[in-house]
Amino acid sequence: SQELEQSPQSLIVQEGKNLTINCTSSKTLYGLYWYKQKYGEGLIFLMMLQKGGEEKSHEKITAKLDEKKQQSSLHITASQPSHAGIYLCGADPAHSFQNSNSGYALNFGKGTSLLVTP
Amino acid sequence: ETGVTQSPTHLIKTRGQQVTLRCSSQSGHNTVSWYQQALGQGPQFIFQYYREEENGRGNFPPRFSGLQFPNYSSELNVNALELDDSALYLCASSISGVGGVGGYTFGSGTRLTVV
Repeated sequence: SQELEQSPQSLIVQEGKNLTINCTSSKTLYGLYWYKQKYGEGLIFLMMLQKGGEEKSHEKITAKLDEKKQQSSLHITASQPSHAGIYLCGADPAHSFQNSNSGYALNFGKGTSLLVTP
Repeated sequence: ETGVTQSPTHLIKTRGQQVTLRCSSQSGHNTVSWYQQALGQGPQFIFQYYREEENGRGNFPPRFSGLQFPNYSSELNVNALELDDSALYLCASSISGVGGVGGYTFGSGTRLTVV
């Protein structure tokens, strides 16, 4: 089965600093999703990467998928208190989203907890 | 357009009891998936429903069961509750056959505590 390992487990950064969260897969990633979760709440979709070498940005958050499609990174520039939360990477283990007769289920990493201090 | 709504938000049950959690999917979505998220862990896939039938299941025992209704809403039922069932239960809806960007919309979850 596919395992997703996130690092670091937790992170405390000062407001305005940059940070990077990594997600490493034991198998090739066919769809890598980044979500943000506020403590005890649902998941908010950030970005989805499919192609090796792909990079996407939204506001101050950039996500990349490496060429071999086994590692992804999430980079936040000039962090703000609103960035605080748990960041989760998720992957489709069977790339079942390509199957028109079914939806798809995701495997998730354990998450990275981010705290941004004033 | 409404998002995914889950009820109740919080629940306390006694070991051995049964519980039903409810989920209303986002308008236009026909697939519902349920996840269990223990404290400090990532969500674990329980099962998925499409066209009112189970369409995939994770590594959960049969005492975890579900239903999907014609309006695409869904229920998660857990029998013979155990202490380890205490977790945040997340429902996510999606459109079958539409992969890719933002395919899942998650609800805010139901926090179940088993005592």
